[in-house]
Amino acid sequence: QKEVEQDPGPLSVPEGAIVSLNCTYSNSAFQYFMWYRQYSRKGPELLMYTYSSGNKEDGRFTAQVDKSSKYISLFIRDSQPSDSATYLCAMSGGYGAQKLVFGQGTRLTINP
Amino acid sequence: SAVISQKPSRDICQRGTSLTIQCQVDSQVTMMFWYRQQPGQSLTLIATANQGSEATYESGFVIDKFPISRPNLTFSTLTVSNMSPEDSSIYLCSVDGTGDADEQYFGPGTRLTVT
Repeated sequence: QKEVEQDPGPLSVPEGAIVSLNCTYSNSAFQYFMWYRQYSRKGPELLMYTYSSGNKEDGRFTAQVDKSSKYISLFIRDSQPSDSATYLCAMSGGYGAQKLVFGQGTRLTINP
Repeated sequence: SAVISQKPSRDICQRGTSLTIQCQVDSQVTMMFWYRQQPGQSLTLIATANQGSEATYESGFVIDKFPISRPNLTFSTLTVSNMSPEDSSIYLCSVDGTGDADEQYFGPGTRLTVT
């Protein structure tokens, strides 16, 4: 079993829809939870990260962490064609543990 | 966040040859990381490079195959040695951020094809 599981998709939704992307994990030592966006033929770009459980909002993006269920989500509101990309979750123990563990990535397409 | 560049952006190489990939950062960073991303797959960490010390390799990766240099706080190289078609992949460097989360920032990647 992988430490971090993420459905690779592909996921295709119409423009304006709310998108939900999810990851599950098995290591209870993870404290920080990140979401990266990767456009085709580009490097991953850090969208946001959260510490422990709770929600964090940044514009149209909301990250949610439920440590009791070992489940994290990224919601995209009012999705745009420019949001079409692969989204990767990543996790770490933080405080100098340094190593990130990535999910497989979900390929998302927003259709105009 | 730091601005990271990689050279070359892509290359096509013959089996048995070696390629050195460069990673340049616009500010001094403590840690630099090298990843491999095979088509449709996630990122696999190859090694962590600290300035002034030997790189730390992950399980399945060895120094003879992937020698790494880290001569200063803004630059690192990864060499892919004695290449085979199985080495065809995207190679990414990243640097550590300044927060507590161990977040990393990535370069644009080097797309390598071995024929």
